[in-house]
Amino acid sequence: TQTVSQSDAHVTVFEGDSVELRCNYSYGGSIYLSWYIQHHGHGLQFLLKYYSGNPVVQGVNGFEAEFSKSDSSFHLRKASVHWSDSAVYFCAVRASSGSWQLIFGSGTQLTVMP
Amino acid sequence: ETAVFQTPNYHVTQVGNEVSFNCKQTLGHDTMYWYKQDSKKLLKIMFSYNNKQLIVNETVPRRFSPQSSDKAHLNLRIKSVEPEDSAVYLCASSPTYNQDTQYFGPGTRLLVL
Repeated sequence: TQTVSQSDAHVTVFEGDSVELRCNYSYGGSIYLSWYIQHHGHGLQFLLKYYSGNPVVQGVNGFEAEFSKSDSSFHLRKASVHWSDSAVYFCAVRASSGSWQLIFGSGTQLTVMP
Repeated sequence: ETAVFQTPNYHVTQVGNEVSFNCKQTLGHDTMYWYKQDSKKLLKIMFSYNNKQLIVNETVPRRFSPQSSDKAHLNLRIKSVEPEDSAVYLCASSPTYNQDTQYFGPGTRLLVL
């Protein structure tokens, strides 16, 4: 069974800062990883995903994430945040075989101060 | 651009009442989902339909039942709501059942008094 954890419930940065949101997973086999964003009062919106190939994947609005098999991680990064990036970010995992359900982490609330 | 529509946006009801939430997607996807998001933002999948066939049914209380008339619609009915049913219910869709990219609706917030 795959699991995913987001150790930081809240992250606060200033506009223009860089940010890294952490995601760690556990699963013994091949896995799909993705990130979603949820603005207040809205549904989730897909940001990016990884399955194989280049461990650094690019997403929308300047977000990127890096897969590390050795660390079992898939951290999300942005070089310079904007106030509109304030939202809850969810990491999600899915096994490539067996259960195909998306398992979401508990989310990280990112607050960007002006 | 919204392509997954949910109604109502918000619903307040009393314990024991029946409620029904609607979801429609205009993306032509085969698979639709219902998730429950609690007050701590935790997401739990409740049901999934692939081309009108139920393909997963998590251990949710039996008072919850999904209803689908075609692959573009997936409604959720709750018979005799309980206080713990207060949550945001999110509908989503994906092209097929094994897709990581899911498209979510804005959610229906349920408050049970």
